[in-house]
Amino acid sequence: AQSVTQPDIHITVSEGASLELRCNYSYGATPYLFWYVQSPGQGLQLLLKYFSGDTLVQGIKGFEAEFKRSQSSFNLRKPSVHWSDAAEYFCAVGGGSNDYKLSFGAGTTVTVRA
Amino acid sequence: DADVTQTPRNRITKTGKRIMLECSQTKGHDRMYWYRQDPGLGLRLIYYSFDVKDINKGEISDGYSVSRQAQAKFSLSLESAIPNQTALYFCATSDLESPYEQYFGPGTRLTVT
Repeated sequence: AQSVTQPDIHITVSEGASLELRCNYSYGATPYLFWYVQSPGQGLQLLLKYFSGDTLVQGIKGFEAEFKRSQSSFNLRKPSVHWSDAAEYFCAVGGGSNDYKLSFGAGTTVTVRA
Repeated sequence: DADVTQTPRNRITKTGKRIMLECSQTKGHDRMYWYRQDPGLGLRLIYYSFDVKDINKGEISDGYSVSRQAQAKFSLSLESAIPNQTALYFCATSDLESPYEQYFGPGTRLTVT
């Protein structure tokens, strides 16, 4: 069965500083990996996805993520955080089965301080 | 206008009451999903549907039922609400060509007292 672990429940970062959110997955084959962001009071928005090919993927809002098969990781990064990046971030994994289901991590809440 | 809408956005109900949460989409997607979100647990899949005649249970379907009235409408019912069903509920959609890319509604915050 597929599963996702986000080790950090809450991260606080200063505006302008870099951000890295960790995601580890468990999956038997090549996974499809996703990062979603949930701003306060909003639904989830897809930031970026990895299916195959280049292991460094670019997303919206200046985010990128790197797939590392050897570490079963798909960490999300942003070089310079803006106050509007304060949100909850979810990593998700899917793939291989015919039911197209996603498994989500528990989420990481990001607080941005001025 | 939003592509995926959910009604109501907030609801408080009492234990034992029947309640229905509704989801509509204008994206033309075939697949629709219902998730619940609990703090520290992320999103868990309740039910999903690939078309009007195809309904499937997710990982936490007990206590819930669904109806796919049309391609664009997918409703979630709690037949007899209980307090541990207090959560944030999300509807999502995806299409045939990109089945894993899901588009989410704004959520319904349900409180069962």
